[in-house]
Amino acid sequence: DAGVIQSPRHEVTEMGQEVTLRCKPISGHDYLFWYRQTMMRGLELLIYFNNNVPIDDSGMPEDRFSAKMPNASFSTLKIQPSEPRDSAVYFCASSSGFGRRTDTQYFGPGTRLTVL
Amino acid sequence: AQSVTQPDIHITVSEGASLELRCNYSYGATPYLFWYVQSPGQGLQLLLKYFSGDTLVQGIKGFEAEFKRSQSSFNLRKPSVHWSDAAEYFCAVGLILTGGGNKLTFGTGTQLKVEL
Repeated sequence: DAGVIQSPRHEVTEMGQEVTLRCKPISGHDYLFWYRQTMMRGLELLIYFNNNVPIDDSGMPEDRFSAKMPNASFSTLKIQPSEPRDSAVYFCASSSGFGRRTDTQYFGPGTRLTVL
Repeated sequence: AQSVTQPDIHITVSEGASLELRCNYSYGATPYLFWYVQSPGQGLQLLLKYFSGDTLVQGIKGFEAEFKRSQSSFNLRKPSVHWSDAAEYFCAVGLILTGGGNKLTFGTGTQLKVEL
């Protein structure tokens, strides 16, 4: 398996622009997580999906952030409009629940977002 | 709510020396605990995990960790560090999700530097 795939790996944009980050989870995994990593706040869980349904979005910082999972193999995280404080590394992770509590989250390589 | 503390932000060891990275957790029930490693520009890779049973857990790359309930700790150890171990290490506690899987809360990380 290719693992969790994220694109783009790097994104530089200007304040006010829309940014879309993409994630392809590992085939067969039914959980998908979006994290943000910054120096100030460390790794934060933004939102997670189970079977394509958003379950907990309490970590989404504000209404400018939205996430979708239209099918089992694709998810997006959108920021509109973007602001310099959104600059961070965004990680996607997936795991296969199937009732097993011992499951591991597998992380993608991340997208480094810079908002100028 | 669960939380994780990694008291050491930076640690420097000589190659061949032993290593111990500290992790303390706060959780109301039996915790599910993880150690991940992040190399520069990479995603997070699972080193090991504890769910139940033997309190000494073996992981990849020669790492091990010991769960001590009385001290609320899950310290990571390696008897002899290699230069390639230089990376950032994250401890995490998992909240079990309905239907399986874990929701992770991460510590702030410990940056390991290895001197040759």
